Amino acid sequence: TQLLEQSPQFLSIQEGENLTVYCNSSSVFSSLQWYRQEPGEGPVLLVTVVTGGEVKKLKRLTFQFGDARKDSSLHITAAQPGDTGLYLCAALRGAGNMLTFGGGTRLMVKP
Amino acid sequence: NAGVMQNPRHLVRRRGQEARLRCSPMKGHSHVYWYRQLPEEGLKFMVYLQKENIIDESGMPKERFSAEFPKEGPSILRIQQVVRGDSAAYFCASSQLEGQFFGPGTRLTVL
Repeated sequence: TQLLEQSPQFLSIQEGENLTVYCNSSSVFSSLQWYRQEPGEGPVLLVTVVTGGEVKKLKRLTFQFGDARKDSSLHITAAQPGDTGLYLCAALRGAGNMLTFGGGTRLMVKP
Repeated sequence: NAGVMQNPRHLVRRRGQEARLRCSPMKGHSHVYWYRQLPEEGLKFMVYLQKENIIDESGMPKERFSAEFPKEGPSILRIQQVVRGDSAAYFCASSQLEGQFFGPGTRLTVL
């Protein structure tokens, strides 16, 4: 059982569509992070959400942290082919801030 | 300011051989984390090191795997007597105060 469950696992959409991906857990977190990983590369940090109910925007990406700090969502408006990639949520754990990742959502945006 | 560097980017080994993966952290970073990503899966934490010390190795397999981060030089993840199940992408991340920055990974293929 994954600590962080991401859904959907795969998503294929047309350019211009909107989408939302989810990261859920039964645990409470002090913060959650979202990463994007392109094929053949390492993950790149997109955002860290810290406060329950927090909403952060990064251009066409909107990140929300649940009120109870157990879940988070990522909404992309007017998706573009450049948004294609693996989206990972992650939680920090332990004194060493090791990252625990969800299984990821693999997004493909077709032109 | 160079990012995290990993080499080699691709490594092919036959069963029973040794694999050595190197990670040079970002300049000024003294914390290194190693993660493994199996095909079609998210990243799993393996080990956290600071200079000359292993801080947390709770994600490391008990046998055949070892890691070091010497006073001088890169961090090394060593896998002895590799098996097919070791085939994966191995990522390191470095950190100083906040945030982990990932390298491009080493893709290990065991024949």
